[in-house]
Amino acid sequence: NAGVTQTPKFRILKIGQSMTLQCTQDMNHNYMYWYRQDPGMGLKLIYYSVGAGITDKGEVPNGYNVSRSTTEDFPLRLELAAPSQTSVYFCASSSGENEKLFFGSGTQLSVL
Amino acid sequence: GQNIDQPTEMTATEGAIVQINCTYQTSGFNGLFWYQQHAGEAPTFLSYNVLDGLEEKGRFSSFLSRSKGYSYLLLKELQMKDSASYLCAVMDSNYQLIWGAGTKLIIKP
Repeated sequence: NAGVTQTPKFRILKIGQSMTLQCTQDMNHNYMYWYRQDPGMGLKLIYYSVGAGITDKGEVPNGYNVSRSTTEDFPLRLELAAPSQTSVYFCASSSGENEKLFFGSGTQLSVL
Repeated sequence: GQNIDQPTEMTATEGAIVQINCTYQTSGFNGLFWYQQHAGEAPTFLSYNVLDGLEEKGRFSSFLSRSKGYSYLLLKELQMKDSASYLCAVMDSNYQLIWGAGTKLIIKP
């Protein structure tokens, strides 16, 4: 049982480049989330989705975009990468809005 | 504003008991979660409290007092593998999770 699969694990970008972080889950969860984690700070919600075709902004959406064309996949797109986007990114899913989160293994992103 | 406070770092001895506190001020309350995160890994779920009182799960217990905006995670019979960060998160009235910065727990032999 794979759970939440997130790729890549590490990536270095140059300022202005773009990339997509992939996230897929095999638990048939409707709820999916993208978080970023910075040292000394709590997880910050970037975007979330309550089902296929539905996405919503979280606390820190600027500079990011998402799509949810299927229940399984929830990719995160970074356009015009900036040093402020250097962070660890986690994708997560849950079976409901008040249910525990299952996290992917994370992506360490550096923008130089 | 919404705020979750927990100690930045704690140290305890193998075999001992440690209590990690979490205080919160949020717009409404729909439950409190504790997650464990080993260095370089993803958070994993430990416990969920929505009603006042103590929830026990093996060596780990979690307590909630909604009137005081307070929770703690109690770890008994500490093992070296318990060295990790422990994240407190509160679900507010809009079902948004507000996360604390985490408590790094160091276990010494």
